Amino acid sequence: AQTVTQSQPEMSVQEAETVTLSCTYDTSESDYYLFWYKQPPSRQMILVIRQEAYKQQNATENRFSVNFQKAAKSFSLKISDSQLGDAAMYFCAYRSRQGAQKLVFGQGTRLTINP
Amino acid sequence: GAGVSQSPSNKVTEKGKDVELRCDPISGHTALYWYRQSLGQGLEFLIYFQGNSAPDKSGLPSDRFSAERTGGSVSTLTIQRTQQEDSAVYLCASSNRQVGEQFFGPGTRLTVL
Repeated sequence: AQTVTQSQPEMSVQEAETVTLSCTYDTSESDYYLFWYKQPPSRQMILVIRQEAYKQQNATENRFSVNFQKAAKSFSLKISDSQLGDAAMYFCAYRSRQGAQKLVFGQGTRLTINP
Repeated sequence: GAGVSQSPSNKVTEKGKDVELRCDPISGHTALYWYRQSLGQGLEFLIYFQGNSAPDKSGLPSDRFSAERTGGSVSTLTIQRTQQEDSAVYLCASSNRQVGEQFFGPGTRLTVL
C-alpha cells in the first residue's frame, strides 16, 4: 500500500518570502500522479499543482512549483512571494495511474503567513 | 458550471441515530469519491464510484456505513446507528476519469453527541 508523509505539522513564513513544504511517499509503482491540495478554513480542498511521475520536468503554476525527486520519492512544494491568502492547510497526495483511483493523503502542513 | 455541492453543510445528531449525507458531483463527471477528515485519522478514503457501481469500497470503516449513487449523478452516504467516533468532516469529490483531477465539495461536518 502507498503511504504519504508530511513531516512538518506547521510552518510559518514572512509575507513576500519563499517557503518550502516537504513530502515523501512510498510506492512500488512506477507510474502515478502526485498532487498538492490547499484547504483554507472554508474546508474547500483546492488543487494547487499536480505532477505526473513519468514527466521529469517539475510542474510550475505561477508562484507555486515542485521539486520532484522520483528516485528519492520526494515531492516538495515551493511557494514564492508568499501572500496572506496562501495561509491554509496543505496536503500532499498520491494517486495510482492504473487501478485504484483513490487519493492517499499526507497528514497535512498548516502554513501561517506573517504580515 | 457549478462545482461539487454537498448537503447539509453541518449536521448534529444524537448517538444511535441514522444520518444521510448528499453529494452532487460536477455534471458529466463519471467518478465520485467519498473521504472522511477527522482529527485522529487525517484524510481517509471511504468509497469510489464509477458510474453507479462501486468498484472500491475498501475504506468504509464498518457495516454501519453504506453509499449509493443513482443515475450516475447524486450520491448518498448513509451512516446507521451513529457513534461519537463518526464525528468528522465528510468530503465528496468527482472527476472526469480521463483527466484524473478530483474536484472537492465543501464537505459536511457531522457531529455526533
